[in-house]
Amino acid sequence: DTEVTQTPKHLVMGMTNKKSLKCEQHMGHRAMYWYKQKAKKPPELMFVYSYEKLSINESVPSRFSPECPNSSLLNLHLHALQPEDSALYLCASSQPGGVAEAFFGQGTRLTVV
Amino acid sequence: DAKTTQPPSMDCAEGRAANLPCNHSTISGNEYVYWYRQIHSQGPQYIIHGLKNNETNEMASLIITEDRKSSTLILPHATLRDTAVYYCIVRGVGTIQGGKLIFGQGTELSVKP
Repeated sequence: DTEVTQTPKHLVMGMTNKKSLKCEQHMGHRAMYWYKQKAKKPPELMFVYSYEKLSINESVPSRFSPECPNSSLLNLHLHALQPEDSALYLCASSQPGGVAEAFFGQGTRLTVV
Repeated sequence: DAKTTQPPSMDCAEGRAANLPCNHSTISGNEYVYWYRQIHSQGPQYIIHGLKNNETNEMASLIITEDRKSSTLILPHATLRDTAVYYCIVRGVGTIQGGKLIFGQGTELSVKP
């Protein structure tokens, strides 16, 4: 199984809502990543978890709150988002620090209204 | 991480080889060259990676120059399904900081009938 599963595939939320994105993998990877991708732009790294601990936060606003409850699961909690946060949110996993490739999910398309 | 430079777009005739160049003149000794592609609205897909030797797998070949300052991804017989944005990424290994993937602007490859 080389799959990273992201749910939901699409999400529309208001600026006062609280929602969560979910990412799951069963490849035994101990590094997991969140990326944000705007239209016609490359993915931008947001957070990296290594061994269930947050190791990198690329200066992401606090309205995005990541959580890694176990080695297979990664969440991104969203609160008080702005319309400019509308984007494709991608999750990836790999072995930490090694040469092995990262596997990406298909993303959650988020629209903030 | 070293910066990469790729042409913004390329065309290729179906059935012909697609040769995608990448410059990474500031690459350091422990940094690998990775290639990913992203088909429209999907998550990035790993293609191949290498350190200094040429590499080949079922998808593509990677040719790295002797001084490691540039590389070429070769899709030997391009099909319409190879139409995608191709990203060349230089990635250090050994630490979680080095393990993160930072995407550049990529090359949009259009395979035409």
